Amino acid sequence: GIQVEQSPPDLILQEGANSTLRCNFSDSVNNLQWFHQNPWGQLINLFYIPSGTKQNGRLSATTVATERYSLLYISSSQTTDSGVYFCASQGGSYIPTFGRGTSLIVHP
Amino acid sequence: DAGVTQSPTHLIKTRGQQVTLRCSPKSGHDTVSWYQQALGQGPQFIFQYYEEEERQRGNFPDRFSGHQFPNYSSELNVNALLLGDSALYLCASSPGTVSGNTIYFGEGSWLTVV
Repeated sequence: GIQVEQSPPDLILQEGANSTLRCNFSDSVNNLQWFHQNPWGQLINLFYIPSGTKQNGRLSATTVATERYSLLYISSSQTTDSGVYFCASQGGSYIPTFGRGTSLIVHP
Repeated sequence: DAGVTQSPTHLIKTRGQQVTLRCSPKSGHDTVSWYQQALGQGPQFIFQYYEEEERQRGNFPDRFSGHQFPNYSSELNVNALLLGDSALYLCASSPGTVSGNTIYFGEGSWLTVV
């Protein structure tokens, strides 16, 4: 199946800083999603982005499918951005594969 | 519009017991999937239900079984619980089974096996 690797595994920022999270996947994908998991465990869908670039407020994401990676950009980070960020990819079958996540802590 | 809802939110079971977790999908969604998330890991796909049948299954033993009802809600059953089954169990729903559909998650059920 598809392998998904995320980097960095951990990230600590001061409020207001920018960051880039990376997701590499091992094969062609039909779907690539980014999620934010809050401290209570809920996964919030951030982007559905199998290719191209999307922006939503301070967050944006870019997927370069031909080079098998996706990037999540967080600008002007806030303490509420803390949590774990996951990317998940789906290939020919439905089965989504998640990376191990990037744990982000934003200090005030 | 209610999102994906799961129950119970937390539960503690003893080794060898059985557990049933419940999920109601987001309005308009007919496909439900279940995931297991161990501490420090990403969610692992257990199985997917569509039209009341199991359509896809991940690498989980037969102790893990499920059901989907005509109203699209679903249950996850785990028999003969092991300590290693302690995890967050997540339910996700989507409109159909095509891999290009966005999936939405519930808040999860935290299971502790002692």
